[in-house]
Amino acid sequence: GAVVSQHPSWVICKSGTSVKIECRSLDFQATTMFWYRQFPKQSLMLMATSNEGSKATYEQGVEKDKFLINHASLTLSTLTVTSAHPEDSSFYICSARDTSRLSGNSPLHFGNGTRLTVT
Amino acid sequence: GQQLNQSPQSMFIQEGEDVSMNCTSSSIFNTWLWYKQDPGEGPVLLIALYKAGELTSNGRLTAQFGTTRKDSFLNISASIPSDVGIYFCAGQLPSGNTGKLIFGQGTTLQVKP
Repeated sequence: GAVVSQHPSWVICKSGTSVKIECRSLDFQATTMFWYRQFPKQSLMLMATSNEGSKATYEQGVEKDKFLINHASLTLSTLTVTSAHPEDSSFYICSARDTSRLSGNSPLHFGNGTRLTVT
Repeated sequence: GQQLNQSPQSMFIQEGEDVSMNCTSSSIFNTWLWYKQDPGEGPVLLIALYKAGELTSNGRLTAQFGTTRKDSFLNISASIPSDVGIYFCAGQLPSGNTGKLIFGQGTTLQVKP
């Protein structure tokens, strides 16, 4: 089945630094990937839609200059948390769908998430 | 914005019991998905539903896409300890086909051996 790989699985950084998280689709191409954030004991909240070769689409309330998204190829999207602060500490999860299945009946598959801790 | 109401919020059951959880919405969805999430990991797809009225099984799991396209349920039969986790429903809106999902609040399942 479709596999989405996310790296790193966890990262600790100091306040004010930037952190990059990678999301790769391993056995399929994805023109669109999604970035979610999940706080403890809460559901997944969509942050942005990453579009290959064009700008990302951000959800309301998500700062595009703080959460930089680059989708440079059909198998890789990156999320960079810039000038991180303790309140950015969260579980970040990416997802992707096999866009070669034109019928649309292809569910989203998720990476294993990245636990970010900002000290 | 669109919301999914998932219930119950949590369940504590005895091993061997059956479990049922559901999601409802005021919006129509063209796809319903059920995921399970273990601590510290990403959600894993359990069942995908694409047609109103569709009933699909995956082992001990059964899910249905409501005929109104505004609800779905997931049943787990004969629960076992490894069923422990958080179960999320997710719906995909009809507008566009980007795969954007709306998630329910999750149902935390605990199984007592």
